[in-house]
Amino acid sequence: AQSVTQPDIHITVSEGASLELRCNYSYGATPYLFWYVQSPGQGLQLLLKYFSGDTLVQGIKGFEAEFKRSQSSFNLRKPSVHWSDAAEYFCAVGYRESTFGDGTTLTVKP
Amino acid sequence: NAGVTQTPKFQVLKTGQSMTLQCAQDMNHEYMSWYRQDPGMGLRLIHYSVGAGITDQGEVPNGYNVSRSTTEDFPLRLLSAAPSQTSVYFCASSYPGLAGIEQFFGPGTRLTVL
Repeated sequence: AQSVTQPDIHITVSEGASLELRCNYSYGATPYLFWYVQSPGQGLQLLLKYFSGDTLVQGIKGFEAEFKRSQSSFNLRKPSVHWSDAAEYFCAVGYRESTFGDGTTLTVKP
Repeated sequence: NAGVTQTPKFQVLKTGQSMTLQCAQDMNHEYMSWYRQDPGMGLRLIHYSVGAGITDQGEVPNGYNVSRSTTEDFPLRLLSAAPSQTSVYFCASSYPGLAGIEQFFGPGTRLTVL
């Protein structure tokens, strides 16, 4: 069965600092991997996705993620965080339907 | 395109009542899914459909029914609401293309069962 683990429930970073959110997955074949962002009371917005090819994936809002098959990881990064990035972030794996992690809440300090 | 639409946005039910959450998409996507999101958790798959007339259970199907009579619509029925079904419900549709696959999510329905 496929599964996703996001080890960090809550992360706080200062505005302008770099960010890395961790994601580990379990999947039987070549994984389809996604990162979503959700602001309070809102739906999910896709940040980026990985299916094959280059293991470093660029997304929207300056985010990128790196797929590491040997570590079963798909960590999300951003070099400089903005206050508007404060939200909840979900990693997901799957093809047509996804299995989601429990999310990481990002707080940005001024 | 309206994308994926869900109605209602908010609903309050009493224990034992039944209701249907509506989901529609205008992108001609084959695949549609229903998820629920509880506080502090990610989305969990309730039911999904790979095309009209074909549905299957996800991770948490108990207490819910679905049907898919058209490509566009995928309603979720709560047979006898329970407080444990208080949650936010998201509908999604997807279609595999040359760039892989992506799910498009609706805005969600916030359901409270008293």
